[in-house]
Amino acid sequence: TQLLEQSPQFLSIQEGENLTVYCNSSSVFSSLQWYRQEPGEGPVLLVTVVTGGEVKKLKRLTFQFGDARKDSSLHITAAQTGDTGLYLCAGGSQWGNEKLTFGTGTRLTIIP
Amino acid sequence: KAGVTQTPRYLIKTRGQQVTLSCSPISGHRSVSWYQQTPGQGLQFLFEYFSETQRNKGNFPGRFSGRQFSNSRSEMNVSTLELGDSALYLCASSSGLAGGPSGETQYFGPGTRLLVL
Repeated sequence: TQLLEQSPQFLSIQEGENLTVYCNSSSVFSSLQWYRQEPGEGPVLLVTVVTGGEVKKLKRLTFQFGDARKDSSLHITAAQTGDTGLYLCAGGSQWGNEKLTFGTGTRLTIIP
Repeated sequence: KAGVTQTPRYLIKTRGQQVTLSCSPISGHRSVSWYQQTPGQGLQFLFEYFSETQRNKGNFPGRFSGRQFSNSRSEMNVSTLELGDSALYLCASSSGLAGGPSGETQYFGPGTRLLVL
């Protein structure tokens, strides 16, 4: 069974601070996606990384896929209150029966 | 373009009953995936339908089933409900051209919150 552990589980920081969320597994994934979910809504895709070592930047968010394609990180610079939400990583398996394995989630709260 | 819609949004059932949830994908999308989200287990993949056929599936018991219609709308059925089936059930649609949910952008609906008493 593939598992994706996210850390920290909860994170509360002041507006303007930087933070990093980690997503780790002992399994190899063909791709890694990051989502943000707000209360009462479904997750919204932020980014997909597919190459080991890949780094993608979206404004203040930086995503990295580990060289071995087993882990990933999300770094937010100068956090804003609008960044508050549940962050989920999801590993893709495209060998045989394809599916997405979601991480345990990181609940982020940005304090104004 | 209208987003993914799910009905009903809230549902209360008792143990042993069955339930059917509905999902209407974004117009033009042919793939619909279903997920279960609970505080304890997180978000788990149930199955994916593409062109009226189940193409990929997760590790859920046979009590969980689904189908897809020719207009790409999908239904999910849970029979013999158990207390542990209480969850937020999410569906997501995509074009389906990448072969599965991990290869392309999925658009999630707001979910159906099911409470089993």
